[in-house]
Parts: sequence; C-alpha cells; structure tokens
Amino acid sequence: SAVISQKPSRDICQRGTSLTIQCQVDSQVTMMFWYRQQPGQSLTLIATANQGSEATYESGFVIDKFPISRPNLTFSTLTVSNMSPEDSSIYLCSVVSLHIYNEQFFGPGTRLTVL
Amino acid sequence: GDSVTQMEGPVTLSEEAFLTINCTYTATGYPSLFWYVQYPGEGLQLLLKATKADDKGSNKGFEATYRKETTSFHLEKGSVQVSDSAVYFCALSGSARQLTFGSGTQLTVLP
Repeated sequence: SAVISQKPSRDICQRGTSLTIQCQVDSQVTMMFWYRQQPGQSLTLIATANQGSEATYESGFVIDKFPISRPNLTFSTLTVSNMSPEDSSIYLCSVVSLHIYNEQFFGPGTRLTVL
Repeated sequence: GDSVTQMEGPVTLSEEAFLTINCTYTATGYPSLFWYVQYPGEGLQLLLKATKADDKGSNKGFEATYRKETTSFHLEKGSVQVSDSAVYFCALSGSARQLTFGSGTQLTVLP
C-alpha cells in the first residue's frame, strides 16, 4: 500500500488568512483526491487533483477558495483561502496506486481550526 | 448521482456481542464497495472491500457481502471487542474512482 504524509498535521489559523496543506506519497500513483471532514461529519470530496492541469472540483467547491496543485505523480497541495470558522475541518488527501487500482489510501489528515 | 445510506448511530454494545451495521447504496453501473474505519484520533483505514456482486470482503473478523439484488453491503462481526470502538464508514467507488461515503456509524463497545 502507498504511504502518505501530510503537512501540517494540525494548525490554528486566524480568519481571513490562507493555509497550504501538502500531501506526499512514497510511490507513483494514478489519482489523487482531496476530501473534507467537518466536525462529527462524514467525508466530502472537494476535488480530484490532476497532474499538470487544473483540478476537477465537485459541486459547491471552487478554485478560488480551494486552489490545488499537482506538479508530479507523488505530490499535491491544497490551499484553503480567506479562511472563516466554517472552514474548520480535517482535510485529507487520498490516492489510488498504480498497482491496486480499486483501493484508495488516505493520508493522516490535517486538522484545521479557524478562529 | 451515487449515494450511500448508512445505519444511524451511535451504536453501543457489550463485549462479545454480535454487530451489524446496515449499508445500502444507489449507483449507476457496477461500483466497488468499501468499509473504512476511523479509530479515535487516527486517520481513515480501509477495513474491507468487495468489487463485484456476491463477493465477500473480510478482515479482522469483520465481513460484508456485496448484494446487488438488495444494493446492500452490511458490515457484520460475530463477537466485538473493546478495541473495535471506532467510527465505521460505508463507501462506494464508481468508474471515476471517487469515493462516496455514508454518514458514518459510531460504535462503542463496553467491557
């Protein structure tokens, strides 16, 4: 299985600021996704991170608020822009490996609190 | 669109009790089905999966069978332990590989 790390693991931020979350995988993967888990809730897909092109966003999520980059097959970033307390969530990246195509592996998550 | 409906929680059981968490889905085509588990303070882990009708996924004493006729993927365990206390998520993956999650079920097992 792929080993995924995320940085930072947690952060407390002020309203109106932005935070960039990094996701690093130890092997090449086909697909990378970003999810949000609001407190006490299930996971919601934010976007699919596409290598070398713009991410594909789900309904309710826009690039200006959640810009995503994926410069290569093993790394992606998610930025949460102009934060408000409603953005307080756990943000998780997940990957589909080249070798186990029908499973997704999740990173440990980034716990964000916006004051 | 795709959707997953999961048994509402929380569920509280005594150790060694039988566990069932119901999960039904709506999807086009032939999705893969998953159960993920999230232990307190930890990330999301894949518990088991099934990729086609009548497949049975199993792991750590947990089982779930992909039932196409009833569009269900119920999670079962014959004898739960305190260490099974966690949140359990049912999910499906379609052709785009994105996961659609159920609402999650909090399980607490008492000694």
